[in-house]
Amino acid sequence: QVQFVQSGAEVKRPGASVKVSCRASGYSFTTYAMHWVRQAPGQRPEWMGWISAAVGNTGYSQTFQGRLTLTRDISASTVFMELRNLRSEDTAVYFCARGPPGTILMDVWGKGTTVTVSS
Amino acid sequence: SYELTQPPSVSVSPGQTARITCSGDALPEKYPYWYQQKSGQAPVLVNYEDNKRPSGIPERFSGSISGTMATLTISGAQVEDEADYYCFSRDNTEIYRVFGGGTKLTVL
Repeated sequence: QVQFVQSGAEVKRPGASVKVSCRASGYSFTTYAMHWVRQAPGQRPEWMGWISAAVGNTGYSQTFQGRLTLTRDISASTVFMELRNLRSEDTAVYFCARGPPGTILMDVWGKGTTVTVSS
Repeated sequence: SYELTQPPSVSVSPGQTARITCSGDALPEKYPYWYQQKSGQAPVLVNYEDNKRPSGIPERFSGSISGTMATLTISGAQVEDEADYYCFSRDNTEIYRVFGGGTKLTVL
């Protein structure tokens, strides 16, 4: 079955960077895109961006332009999300979610990685 | 920016029909995706693209759209359907992809 294993919880200082990984299994990795969505405590989810697993094309929400980089390692069926210049408002659970080609649909989600930004 | 508006809460008794709405200017052309999120868990897709359901999602979950309002209908709601429900869609420029504010469904 389709599964995602995300890296463990992180605690970072303001101004630092965080890199979260998402390893996929149970499907053809390069057939789909991967999206990243975050959810701050008590808030609605927030779409961050996507990456094509096949060719590495990316698209980012304007909210994160300049701070967010998505990459992938095809050999490891893994996608990475790096967010730089962290601030307290970036404290959230970060989810990876699979995206069928040609749509904005996110059909299967990882369990999430908690990132806490605190001085 | 773009906004999708949902009621904060909906409450029904077990076996009743729950209707959760989502309003947005682009919805007539951009059918929303509906996600169920239980406490402490990742969202789960329950309805998409002209009332399709992923495998494993009960038939009681259905979606519809009329003008700028989409509705997720849970026919015969069960206690296990208690969760937050979010709609997700994009605007006509395809620039903004947003979630609605979420609706807390209570079944008791």
